[in-house]
Amino acid sequence: DADVTQTPRNRITKTGKRIMLECSQTKGHDRMYWYRQDPGLGLRLIYYSFDVKDINKGEISDGYSVSRQAQAKFSLSLESAIPNQTALYFCATSNIGNEQFFGPGTRLTVL
Amino acid sequence: GQQLNQSPQSMFIQEGEDVSMNCTSSSIFNTWLWYKQDPGEGPVLLIALYKAGELTSNGRLTAQFGITRKDSFLNISASIPSDVGIYFCAGNQFYFGTGTSLTVIP
Repeated sequence: DADVTQTPRNRITKTGKRIMLECSQTKGHDRMYWYRQDPGLGLRLIYYSFDVKDINKGEISDGYSVSRQAQAKFSLSLESAIPNQTALYFCATSNIGNEQFFGPGTRLTVL
Repeated sequence: GQQLNQSPQSMFIQEGEDVSMNCTSSSIFNTWLWYKQDPGEGPVLLIALYKAGELTSNGRLTAQFGITRKDSFLNISASIPSDVGIYFCAGNQFYFGTGTSLTVIP
């Protein structure tokens, strides 16, 4: 079984809809992250959490919110989706240290 | 935010050729990491560098932490078809570069 799972894997939605992307991990890591990937722009950090009570904004947090429900779960919400939020979204985890372990990604399309 | 520029943006090479790519920043980093993303998957760590000037190998891959701490380099020797993918540098854990897309022609 995968160590980092993301649901859904693909989602098509309409402008203005609320969307939640979920991430679960079985690695026992305290640190979790959400990134978006756009062609030519690489991976950009949206939010990160170093433990259950810790939430921090990343480079591009506007239009997004997160919830750390437990050590193993970190969800990303788009309160009112817009077309330029169409992207590939990745969740990642890490322990203290630099290596991150990524999920398989969620492809989100906002029409 | 921190801007990491990778070059080249894409590469098309023949199987067996060597590959070189680099990552530069306007800021100093304490660590440099190199990841590979296979199509349809998340990135996976290849090499981590922790000291300026450090040279580290992982099989056919060799990476270096630049002396100025503002750049890093990745070399792949004798490329094979499974080297296809996007290669990302990352500084200080979560500042990622723009990626280098590698295509290996058999």
